[in-house]
Amino acid sequence: DTGVSQDPRHKITKRGQNVTFRCDPISEHNRLYWYRQTLGQGPEFLTYFQNEAQLEKSRLLSDRFSAERPKGSFSTLEIQRTEQGDSAMYLCASSGGYEAFFGQGTRLTVV
Amino acid sequence: AQKVTQAQTEISVVEKEDVTLDCVYETRDTTYYLFWYKQPPSGELVFLIRRNSFDEQNEISGRYSWNFQKSTSSFNFTITASQVVDSAVYFCALSNRGSQGNLIFGKGTKLSVKP
Repeated sequence: DTGVSQDPRHKITKRGQNVTFRCDPISEHNRLYWYRQTLGQGPEFLTYFQNEAQLEKSRLLSDRFSAERPKGSFSTLEIQRTEQGDSAMYLCASSGGYEAFFGQGTRLTVV
Repeated sequence: AQKVTQAQTEISVVEKEDVTLDCVYETRDTTYYLFWYKQPPSGELVFLIRRNSFDEQNEISGRYSWNFQKSTSSFNFTITASQVVDSAVYFCALSNRGSQGNLIFGKGTKLSVKP
């Protein structure tokens, strides 16, 4: 296994468009996390899944954001009606123990 | 509320110097966990260490060492004999749930090690 994989690595979209990101965790990791990181800041927690159940969502996750993890494997994060403030790096992490392994992220630019 | 403060925004050292990265945390929980992650230019966060609030023993791993002091709410990270490959952004993080739930990250310290 090569680690947590995120797709795409970069996405440029026009304001108002919808975007979807995918995260493939390390196989057999039951926990999956999404974070957002803006320039010069640390990652901020968005949401957390244990298997297919979404157990926690941050207040940062507005109604325009939705995440799924069907069958407890890969996960998708969708942003509807993107805004310029959504421009950030979106990081996915998975964990089977206490160490979380992060992917390289998807950099979103909203123009 | 939980908070992590990394007061040093950027540090620049010359190779072979020792460098300490500071981390101060705030939490009302009696059980909590502290972490350090490294983020190289490639962007992928790399786990370095996890400490629980009941274990104040300092830890050494090769050139890395960590000093956890509950009395000052600090969890500092020292790199001995720094190398150019240590150049990265280092994040301290806090969680009250161990392996579950969210991590509260500091803003990070950018370390530049020059040859």
